[in-house]
Amino acid sequence: EPEVTQTPSHQVTQMGQEVILRCVPISNHLYFYWYRQILGQKVEFLVSFYNNEISEKSEIFDDQFSVERPDGSNFTLKIRSTKLEDSAMYFCASGEGVLGRESFGAGTRLSVL
Amino acid sequence: ELKVEQNPLFLSMQEGKNYTIYCNYSTTSDRLYWYRQDPGKSLESLFVLLSNGAVKQEGRLMASLDTKARLSTLHITAAVHDLSATYFCAVGATGASGSRLTFGEGTQLTVNP
Repeated sequence: EPEVTQTPSHQVTQMGQEVILRCVPISNHLYFYWYRQILGQKVEFLVSFYNNEISEKSEIFDDQFSVERPDGSNFTLKIRSTKLEDSAMYFCASGEGVLGRESFGAGTRLSVL
Repeated sequence: ELKVEQNPLFLSMQEGKNYTIYCNYSTTSDRLYWYRQDPGKSLESLFVLLSNGAVKQEGRLMASLDTKARLSTLHITAAVHDLSATYFCAVGATGASGSRLTFGEGTQLTVNP
């Protein structure tokens, strides 16, 4: 069964450094998403991406964040200057249609020291 | 702003017992999901409910949706230890170019032998 893959599974970085989290969505999906989950808390929407542009973003997704689909398969989330409070699990998801069931990747645990 | 509330947030139950988790949401939505999450793991999709009165069952879990009451339930029948996990409901809000999910706080279920 096709799945969403994310790399790395765990990323440790120093405060102020830039990180790029990578995702390979399911190949025939058109809608892509990033969510995050701070330890012990609920999952929060960050951004949705469709037709090579951001379609919606939350208030969390400020100027420090950016997303890109650099080629036909990868979908990346960049955090320019990480803060301690960016430490969380970041999930990538993709969906084939607006009413389709989104598939989530296994997540990248980001630890900012 | 869409709000999603789950209750209870913590549930400890004995094997063999039945219980229900509730998910209320504040505005009209076109779909509702239930996910399971094991500690440190990703989100496993359990059910997607698309219409009023929808009922879906998988093993010991049954989910239902009442769109008029803006309420979904996840019923656990004859619980077993393997069901111990955190269960999230998530409500979809669709726009023209994708959709976002708003998650509840999660219900941490512990099934005791």
